[in-house]
Amino acid sequence: SQTIHQWPATLVQPVGSPLSLECTVEGTSNPNLYWYRQAAGRGLQLLFYSIGIDQISSEVPQNLSASRPQDRQFILSSKKLLLSDSGFYLCAWNQQRNSPLHFGNGTRLTVT
Amino acid sequence: SQELEQSPQSLIVQEGKNLTINCTSSKTLYGLYWYKQKYGEGLIFLMMLQKGGEEKSHEKITAKLDEKKQQSSLHITASQPSHAGIYLCGADIVWGGSQGNLIFGKGTKLSVKP
Repeated sequence: SQTIHQWPATLVQPVGSPLSLECTVEGTSNPNLYWYRQAAGRGLQLLFYSIGIDQISSEVPQNLSASRPQDRQFILSSKKLLLSDSGFYLCAWNQQRNSPLHFGNGTRLTVT
Repeated sequence: SQELEQSPQSLIVQEGKNLTINCTSSKTLYGLYWYKQKYGEGLIFLMMLQKGGEEKSHEKITAKLDEKKQQSSLHITASQPSHAGIYLCGADIVWGGSQGNLIFGKGTKLSVKP
């Protein structure tokens, strides 16, 4: 069966520090991968999605970037964190369009 | 702009009572997905609806998609404390394309009083 791993679970970082969140999927190949951010009162916002290695699409301009160095690995990064980057970050995957997204357990990021 | 509206935003019910959560869009829903989330955790997939008029049930939870494919409801019968959490609807509102990302409503927070 397929599983998705996301880490770390929580992170507290000072403003201006770098960020790296990692997500890996097991038990499938060539998944679509997604990064969402969930902020209080704002719902889930799609940040990036990828349909293949080195194929990344950004949905909103921001202080973040994403990379997919391997088929089942998706990384969310920032060179310098802002206070507004605080939130709950969720990685998700699906096999194809018209199939459910499956989510990781999320990373709670607090920028101080 | 928020394209999926969920109502109510929060709900407190007595254990054993029935309840309904609604999800509405101004655009056609080519796929509608219901998820449950406990605070601080990821989203758990519940059900997927794709055809107008479709209805699916799992244990005490029933989800429906209207004929026009612009509104969905999630109904819980005889609620239990284990049903407590945040329910989110997600939808595919784009026809065609290769990506499968969904847009989401803001969620409905359900509390069940024993």
